[in-house]
Amino acid sequence: AQKVTQAQTEISVVEKEDVTLDCVYETRDTTYYLFWYKQPPSGELVFLIRRNSFDEQNEISGRYSWNFQKSTSSFNFTITASQVVDSAVYFCALSEAQTTSGTYKYIFGTGTRLKVLA
Amino acid sequence: NAGVMQNPRHLVRRRGQEARLRCSPMKGHSHVYWYRQLPEEGLKFMVYLQKENIIDESGMPKERFSAEFPKEGPSILRIQQVVRGDSAAYFCASSSRGGVGPASNEKLFFGSGTQLSVL
Repeated sequence: AQKVTQAQTEISVVEKEDVTLDCVYETRDTTYYLFWYKQPPSGELVFLIRRNSFDEQNEISGRYSWNFQKSTSSFNFTITASQVVDSAVYFCALSEAQTTSGTYKYIFGTGTRLKVLA
Repeated sequence: NAGVMQNPRHLVRRRGQEARLRCSPMKGHSHVYWYRQLPEEGLKFMVYLQKENIIDESGMPKERFSAEFPKEGPSILRIQQVVRGDSAAYFCASSSRGGVGPASNEKLFFGSGTQLSVL
């Protein structure tokens, strides 16, 4: 069965510190997709990144970077030089094909609340 | 180019009343997902629908909850005889297809959610 674990419930850092949010997943499929979403205080979920299981290349986008390691089933997210505006809840998600319907279901972790203090 | 629209944004109901939550997917999207977020908890999958079909309702409580996505009009999540434990934020997401295959750039687009408060 699919499962996403975000063991860090809440993290507090001081502005300009680097912070890494952990995500560990479980899946039986060899083909699957991983996502990160940001939920700022306004409530709406904002897409950050999607990664395919066959592409282990790490990605950097500005101050954001993602480290995908299939060997440890992890897809960690690092924010460099954090800013107050980064304060939000961050969700990791996994999608794999449902064998019976052939469609995809998205499973989310419980989220990590990041507080960046000025 | 409107995104996923959910209404109402806030809904207050008394115990025993019915709650109807609406979700209009992004234009061109025919797949809708509903999630529930309880205070200080993550997003819990409830149901996945295509037009006129329920694809996966494994996350829906067996009683009082139902969902539909008619050929015309928005998707509706209906909660009958609400109880205080139903108080939560309900999010709808849509995608243009049910798969995220390697050739696609598929992802979920979320609405702003409906905050249901049961008094």
